[in-house]
Amino acid sequence: AQSVTQLGSHVSVSEGALVLLRCNYSSSVPPYLFWYVQYPNQGLQLLLKYTSAATLVKGINGFEAEFKKSETSFHLTKPSAHMSDAAEYFCAVSDRYGNKLVFGAGTILRVKS
Amino acid sequence: DAGVIQSPRHEVTEMGQEVTLRCKLISGHNSLFWYRQTMMRGLELLIYFNNNVPIDDSGMPEDRFSAKMPNASFSTLKIQPSEPRDSAVYFCASSYATITMTRPEQFFGPGTRLTVL
Repeated sequence: AQSVTQLGSHVSVSEGALVLLRCNYSSSVPPYLFWYVQYPNQGLQLLLKYTSAATLVKGINGFEAEFKKSETSFHLTKPSAHMSDAAEYFCAVSDRYGNKLVFGAGTILRVKS
Repeated sequence: DAGVIQSPRHEVTEMGQEVTLRCKLISGHNSLFWYRQTMMRGLELLIYFNNNVPIDDSGMPEDRFSAKMPNASFSTLKIQPSEPRDSAVYFCASSYATITMTRPEQFFGPGTRLTVL
C-alpha cells in the first residue's frame, strides 16, 4: 500500500525567501510522485511529477522537487517565494499506471510581504 | 482545449434529497476519477473508471453513493438519499492511460461544493 506524509500543515515564509515543503512517501512499488497546488475555491493543478526519469524534477512557476529514494522523500522547493504562491500544496503517490492517487493531508503556504 | 468540466459548481440541498453531480472528461482521456475533499479526511478517491468500466469503487462510502459512465466522455455521481455528512467538495479528474503507454497525471475539474442541510 502507498501513503504520503506531508510534514507541516502550515508553512509561512517571507516574500523572496526559500520555500521548502516536505513530503515523505511509502510505496511497495517504484513510485510515481506528484505535487499539486490548489488555490482557494479551485481544483487541483499539477505542479510537477516524478516518473522514474531524472531525480530532480522541474515544474511550473519556478518550483522543483528532488526524488531521494534513500530518504523516501520528494520535497518541493522554490528559491524565492512570491505572493502568488500562497495556496495549499498536495503531495501524491500513485501506482505505475496512475490509477490510484493517494494524497497527503496538504500544506498551506502563506507568503508574508 | 477545454479542461474537465463539472456541474453544478455549487449545490445546496436538504437531507434526504437526491443529488446528482456531473463530469465531462477531457477529450481523448479514458480514465475518470471521483474524489471527495473534506477538512476532516482530506482528499479521498471514491471510484475510478477506465474505458467506461468501474475498476475500483472501494472508496465509495456506502450504498447511498453510485457512479456511472453512460459514455466515454461523461460521468455522474449520485447520492440518494443525501445526508449532512455528505457535505464536501467533490472533484472529478481524468487521465489517459494504457498498459503500454501511461501518462499518469490526472487533470482535475473545478469541483462541486455540496452542502446538505
